Formats: sequence, C-alpha cells, structure tokens
Amino acid sequence: SYVLTQAPSVSVAPGQTARITCGGAYIRNKDVHWYQLKPGQAPVLVIYDNTERPSGMPERFSGSTSVNTATLTITRVAAGDEADYYCQVWDGYSDHQVFGGGTKLTVL
Amino acid sequence: EVQLVESGGGLVQPGRSLRLSCAVSGFTFENYAMHWVRQAPGKGLEWLSGISWSSDTVGYADSVKGRLIVSRDNAKNSLFLQINSLRSDDTALYYCAKDRGPEIRNAFDIWGQGTMVTVSS
Repeated sequence: SYVLTQAPSVSVAPGQTARITCGGAYIRNKDVHWYQLKPGQAPVLVIYDNTERPSGMPERFSGSTSVNTATLTITRVAAGDEADYYCQVWDGYSDHQVFGGGTKLTVL
Repeated sequence: EVQLVESGGGLVQPGRSLRLSCAVSGFTFENYAMHWVRQAPGKGLEWLSGISWSSDTVGYADSVKGRLIVSRDNAKNSLFLQINSLRSDDTALYYCAKDRGPEIRNAFDIWGQGTMVTVSS
C-alpha cells in the first residue's frame, strides 16, 4: 500500500518559517491534505488539495508539491502553531485513505 | 453550528464487541461521505473506514478489515462503527470525520472530539 513519510519533528524559532515535508512516490499525482492536531482538541484541516486553504485558515499556512514530496509551509510561526501535523492522501490503487506518521512542530 | 459528537466508547474486555456512534448536526449529512479515524496513545492518526453518502461504497483499512462494520442512517444524521473481536491494540481515541465530498476520497474538513476506547481485562 501507499506510504507517506514524515520527519518526526521540526523545530523553529518564533517568527521564522517552518517547512514540514511529506514524502511519497509520485505524490505530485495525488491530492495532498494537511491536518493540525493539538492535545485535547479535534484535528483541524489546514490545507486540502495540495494548496487550498479552508475558509478562515490564515494565509501563513500554504502547501506545495514536487514529484515525490509535499510541503506544508507555515510563515511567521507563533507559539500557537505548536502541534502535530499530518499529511494525507487517497490511494486509488488500494481505495484507502493514507496518513503520514506525523511531524511534531516545536516552537522554540 | 457544524458538530460531530462521538459516543459509545469505554472500557471493554478483549474479544468483546463495541458499537460507536457519531451524531451529526449543522450540515446536510446525506450529501457527504464520512470516515472513522483513530489515534492510539502516543501514535499517529490511522484511517479505519469510510462510507459514501449513499452507503454504496465502503472502505476499510487492511489492519482492521474483517472486524469492522461501518454504517450510516441518513434519516437520523448518524454514523456508526461496529468493532468486533476487540484487542488491546484497538485501545485508542476514535474520531468520526466528514468528507468534503459524497465519496470517500477527499479531505476531511470537520472532525469530532473523539470517543476513547480502552480494551483491557
């Protein structure tokens, strides 16, 4: 089945830019979605269909893809952005939804 | 207000069954596919199952296939997940989530707070 690979952790200073990557074979051919998960809260969709922001999501959050890597970029990082971030795709070959392992974003 | 509220979790013995429910409000439930996702303690998100708007299409993760039954009642704005032969590694927080479209292949734009299932003797 399709595998998505994320680094376990990323650290960034406040005000800087965080880049969280999600590796997958020919991921550019898929629609990639990103979720933010904070302790005790429901997951929140932050990017869908590679680059689209849900209504109300700040422009600081953006998504991009290259051949084998999708990237979630968060500019002007603030303490409130500290969370686990997960990428997700639909694998049409297996008819499964697939999540990456998640990346813990730490704001220094 | 759009809301998904899971219920039915709790402490259950290994080998028993459990039926989780998800009550939906604030959107036209019958127009959208729905999903179940879980997060075991200290682990990541794991997709378990999805069901299309009409129930014609259902999907299950390989790790749980054969033990799970997903269903929905559009008249009652409710989603269900039956989990059979529960094991200790089924211990997790179980979320229901709304698909952005009628089929089970899109992003999940609304999530519930989850219901905790603990499998232990």
